[in-house]
Amino acid sequence: GAVVSQHPSWVICKSGTSVKIECRSLDFQATTMFWYRQFPKQSLMLMATSNEGSKATYEQGVEKDKFLINHASLTLSTLTVTSAHPEDSSFYICSAKGLAGNEQFFGPGTRLTVL
Amino acid sequence: SQQGEEDPQALSIQEGENATMNCSYKTSINNLQWYRQNSGRGLVHLILIRSNEREKHSGRLRVTLDTSKKSSSLLITASRAADTASYFCATGYSSASKIIFGSGTRLSIRP
Repeated sequence: GAVVSQHPSWVICKSGTSVKIECRSLDFQATTMFWYRQFPKQSLMLMATSNEGSKATYEQGVEKDKFLINHASLTLSTLTVTSAHPEDSSFYICSAKGLAGNEQFFGPGTRLTVL
Repeated sequence: SQQGEEDPQALSIQEGENATMNCSYKTSINNLQWYRQNSGRGLVHLILIRSNEREKHSGRLRVTLDTSKKSSSLLITASRAADTASYFCATGYSSASKIIFGSGTRLSIRP
């Protein structure tokens, strides 16, 4: 149980385009989902926290108009990187948390490369 | 922002030896978790220790937590080649459900 999927697993896009990444909890209802970004050989940096049906809370320094987060249902959250640039190339990881417990369940990540 | 600093940043040991990684954090926590990440992959949850616990075991893993020193350690005993990965501590808080990751330790096990 407690499986989280991400789609796509990797994406290559041209500079200036927008990319949408999906995060799904497959066998539980995720009241809260988190989005992280990880640059090579670095740690995971929390970008934002989203609760189902409400606006996401962004961490300091993360542009909410550039990284659009939607958490429309208890099993799906999406991250849209708008007008992507090469510096947005990174590994994006989501996690999901249910009602009970403190544990977050992580997705396998999406590698974004912006040319 | 990163809450935890881990040391060492990188560790290379012989297979069979024990590996110890340390994590220090800055503010009071509700719990501390350890994760493993193989290169370019997702995270695997290893163990969670609550702020009122001092030590926890899971198989070859032993985690300690010293809230007075704001530090934790992860010990992997009898290391195996498959333990080669990056290990991250992550601190959780009672006021929010988010967790903040430490800087990580890259562990390499030499055959």
